[in-house]
Amino acid sequence: GAVVSQHPSRVICKSGTSVKIECRSLDFQATTMFWYRQFPKQSLMLMATSNEGSKATYEQGVEKDKFLINHASLTLSTLTVTSAHPEDSSFYICSAREGAYEQYFGPGTRLTVT
Amino acid sequence: GNSVTQMEGPVTLSEEAFLTINCTYTATGYPSLFWYVQYPGEGLQLLLKATKADDKGSNKGFEATYRKETTSFHLEKGSVQVSDSAVYFCALSGDDKIIFGKGTRLHILP
Repeated sequence: GAVVSQHPSRVICKSGTSVKIECRSLDFQATTMFWYRQFPKQSLMLMATSNEGSKATYEQGVEKDKFLINHASLTLSTLTVTSAHPEDSSFYICSAREGAYEQYFGPGTRLTVT
Repeated sequence: GNSVTQMEGPVTLSEEAFLTINCTYTATGYPSLFWYVQYPGEGLQLLLKATKADDKGSNKGFEATYRKETTSFHLEKGSVQVSDSAVYFCALSGDDKIIFGKGTRLHILP
């Protein structure tokens, strides 16, 4: 099947700093990418949907100025957590889809803000 | 709005036991239904799916039938293995998004 990678797999940053997470589709063109947040023992919460070359569409309650999403190419999307705080610590998962085909998930990035 | 409710875990079974993980949904229209699996330290993988009522999805010995009358998509396996230990997510697609249940952690004891 198609492969989606995320980098880094784990990151620790200090409160107040920004951190960028990359999501890449390795063997297909991701016309749409999705970013999820997963809390411990909770489901995946969709944060935003991005289409290549367009602005991301954020779900209700997600701060777009805090979680900056860029989908500048058909194989790369980035999520930047700006001015991170401890409550932003979470597991962030991206997924990618080509057209209306199946959605493939990345392995996730564990963010810890100290 | 659309939502998915699945049984809370953890579920602990002995090897070769029969497995059922219940999942019900609320949706407008006719969503596709999915089961995803997340093995320890890995990302989500699609386990099986069904796109219309009465469809049965199956993979790796797991099965689930799309029941519109009961709005359910229960996951079953006749004989589980230790390697099936993972977190299982029921999900539906609607409005061009996938909505997930909270996940059920499954432990299989040898």
